[in-house]
Formats: sequence, C-alpha cells, structure tokens
Amino acid sequence: SQQGEEDPQALSIQEGENATMNCSYKTSINNLQWYRQNSGRGLVHLILIRSNEREKHSGRLRVTLDTSKKSSSLLITASRAADTASYFCATTPSGGYQKVTFGTGTKLQVIP
Amino acid sequence: DAGVIQSPRHEVTEMGQEVTLRCKPISGHNSLFWYRQTMMRGLELLIYFNNNVPIDDSGMPEDRFSAKMPNASFSTLKIQPSEPRDSAVYFCASSLVAATNEKLFFGSGTQLSVL
Repeated sequence: SQQGEEDPQALSIQEGENATMNCSYKTSINNLQWYRQNSGRGLVHLILIRSNEREKHSGRLRVTLDTSKKSSSLLITASRAADTASYFCATTPSGGYQKVTFGTGTKLQVIP
Repeated sequence: DAGVIQSPRHEVTEMGQEVTLRCKPISGHNSLFWYRQTMMRGLELLIYFNNNVPIDDSGMPEDRFSAKMPNASFSTLKIQPSEPRDSAVYFCASSLVAATNEKLFFGSGTQLSVL
C-alpha cells in the first residue's frame, strides 16, 4: 500500500520557471524524503526532512513539512530541462522501523 | 563505490517459469528493500530486511513470492511460478540506518516481462 499521494500527477513548465509539487500522507512519520527518477532509471535521493523540521534547502530545492496537515511540498527554483523527471515523496513511519513507502509521484516536464 | 547492483537488467520468461532476481547492496549498509514499480500501482514495498533479517514482508503479493538475504552482501527475490501480472520493474535499495542518514540508494532495477 502507498502512504503518500502527490499532486499534481503531471506538471509542464518552461525552463526558468519554478515547479512546486505537493505530497500528502496518512500516518505519523519520523521523516519524509524526496526522490527523483529519470525515465528507465532507479530513484535518486534528493533531500530528507525530519518530523521536527519545517523547512529545508538544498541548492535549488526547498522542502517544507507541515505535520499537522500531514503534507509536504517540494519547490524547484529556476528549473532546467535536466530537471525533467518523476518526483516521489517517501515517508518513514514513527515507531522504530525504517519502512519507507513511496507516494504516487509527479511527472515534471521542463520545456527548453 | 559501486552502488547497489541488480541482476539481471532485463528478464523475459514464460508463464509458469521460476524467476530469480539478485541484489548486492552497498557494502556496510544494514537495511535492504525490494520494491516493485508498475504504471497501475506505482512503487510498492514488497519486503525489507534489517541486518539480514526480514522485518516486514506484508507487501509480498502472495506465496509465489519469496525473498532471502543469506548474508549482508546478497539478496534474492524469487517468483515461482511466474505469471503475466508479475511483469514490472523490480528495484532493490539499501541504506545505512544511523542517527542522521536514512536515505535509500537504489539499483538500476530489473525489468521483468512474463509472457
């Protein structure tokens, strides 16, 4: 079963614009991660935010977490064609075990 | 660092045959995960191991699926007998569960086609 659900399912933007993806999840978490998947490849970790954190930055990535709403957002600023990929949120539930489950993903297309 | 290594990269088999997928995690990692990805169901967690011990196999679809981790450097996912609905990309991932580093490292996946 999947823990998270991403919104939108697909997003198409022009190069240079910002891209925002949202993730909602169902149960209490220890942390939330974002991953990228290029077509036909494995997933690559982008950023991890812990349940006691509200915002985190890494380069052009900004992640927010609202545990009261059980939601997170990923912002990619100044997008590039190379950012074209699918983006997934993944949650680790609170309670000790590292059972990492993934959301449904957002397919991002950045048009040059 | 070689990363997570999966084999084979592609597997085409006929319904009813046994299929074995292999995974070598990153050296030193103590958790290993098997996922299945399809268009319809997305990324599903099948099973994960911690220190070679299966912790949660609730995602294994049915008894036809089995997974083993005989040592810290090798895991297998077996489907016997295989069915067309098992066609998917199977990913293995590993991680080092520590205080500050819980990210997963994924292999390139095995594309399984059951005819």
